[in-house]
Amino acid sequence: ETGVTQTPRHLVMGMTNKKSLKCEQHLGHNAMYWYKQSAKKPLELMFVYNFKEQTENNSVPSRFSPECPNSSHLFLHLHTLQPEDSALYLCASSTSPSGAYGYTFGSGTRLTVV
Amino acid sequence: RKEVEQDPGPFNVPEGATVAFNCTYSNSASQSFFWYRQDCRKEPKLLMSVYSSGNEDGRFTAQLNRASQYISLLIRDSKLSDSATYLCVVNFGNEKLTFGTGTRLTIIP
Repeated sequence: ETGVTQTPRHLVMGMTNKKSLKCEQHLGHNAMYWYKQSAKKPLELMFVYNFKEQTENNSVPSRFSPECPNSSHLFLHLHTLQPEDSALYLCASSTSPSGAYGYTFGSGTRLTVV
Repeated sequence: RKEVEQDPGPFNVPEGATVAFNCTYSNSASQSFFWYRQDCRKEPKLLMSVYSSGNEDGRFTAQLNRASQYISLLIRDSKLSDSATYLCVVNFGNEKLTFGTGTRLTIIP
């Protein structure tokens, strides 16, 4: 059981669709992250939020748009995606924005773009 | 050079054997180090932090060598349930963790 909950678990969307991924953490953490995991590649950091302020955008295309309304919730809005965006999208949170104590991950959303 | 580099494996090891993985990192100013475990189609989970003095948790031992910029993970008396991908993770002191590609381990009955 994880303190970080992601929905949906699976998502199939067309290239013209708009969808959103949701992440919620119940751990009282101050920092939240979006990572992308593609086959045979390391986890790629996308966005970092610290106290609901975005502190890093790792050169992510604008078709991915994050939103952090409060320290417990994080969204990733998706529009006009490409097939190469198909991947596992992982949300994580940590007590320290430096990540010094590690992260807690959600179960991920497996996204397929058709 | 990759920031965090691991041998992707796969390592196929008989049950009960001892197996060790190494991971090298590129930045000598790195501040904290971790091993994560990721099961197939699941999220990564923290296995253990790696301390300068080395640390042990049951059958698992982690070591850090700052001079040579590598960390290691040793698994003794391996179990079938140890089959997973082991991710080397480094905090370079820049408010994020950097992950290696992972080493895939399969324990064979």
